[in-house]
Amino acid sequence: AQSVSQHNHHVILSEAASLELGCNYSYGGTVNLFWYVQYPGQHLQLLLKYFSGDPLVKGIKGFEAEFIKSKFSFNLRKPSVQWSDTAEYFCAVNAQEGGADGLTFGKGTHLIIQP
Amino acid sequence: ETGVTQTPRHLVMGMTNKKSLKCEQHLGHNAMYWYKQSAKKPLELMFVYNFKEQTENNSVPSRFSPECPNSSHLFLHLHTLQPEDSALYLCASSQGSVSGYTGELFFGEGSRLTVL
Repeated sequence: AQSVSQHNHHVILSEAASLELGCNYSYGGTVNLFWYVQYPGQHLQLLLKYFSGDPLVKGIKGFEAEFIKSKFSFNLRKPSVQWSDTAEYFCAVNAQEGGADGLTFGKGTHLIIQP
Repeated sequence: ETGVTQTPRHLVMGMTNKKSLKCEQHLGHNAMYWYKQSAKKPLELMFVYNFKEQTENNSVPSRFSPECPNSSHLFLHLHTLQPEDSALYLCASSQGSVSGYTGELFFGEGSRLTVL
């Protein structure tokens, strides 16, 4: 079965700093990869996703992620964060064939942006 | 508005009570999911229904009983729960397929359950 590891559980940055959140997955086959965000008091919503093609994907609110197959990684980046980016960020994976239905999530990274 | 509506948003129940959580999706999807979100743990997939058929049951205790009467509605029936079952229960939906392929999930806002 697939699994996801997020390296940082808590990250604190100042506004305008650059952000990179790590995500590694384990699965031997082809996967779909996702980053979800949960703002305080709100539902989980999709930031971006990778199914195939260009390994550098761009999402909403200036976020991007790069799929590096050789490293089983899908790190999330943003060049300049804002106070409104304070939220919980979840990396998730789904196996295209042979895996379990549904998405497998990491433990999440709690990001706090200080004004 | 997410297109996935969960009720109730908050529920407090005793260990001997029987209650149900409801989820309704207005997105025309064919797959629906229950996840459990606890503090300091990854989201745990509980149940998956694809075209109204249960395709996943991740070793969930029998005190949790899902029901999917049609592709738009999903229930989670609760009985004789334990305090450690207190958590946020999330419903989600996606486009289903006969192969079980999962695309993007759309989540509801969750039902916060407290078991006393």
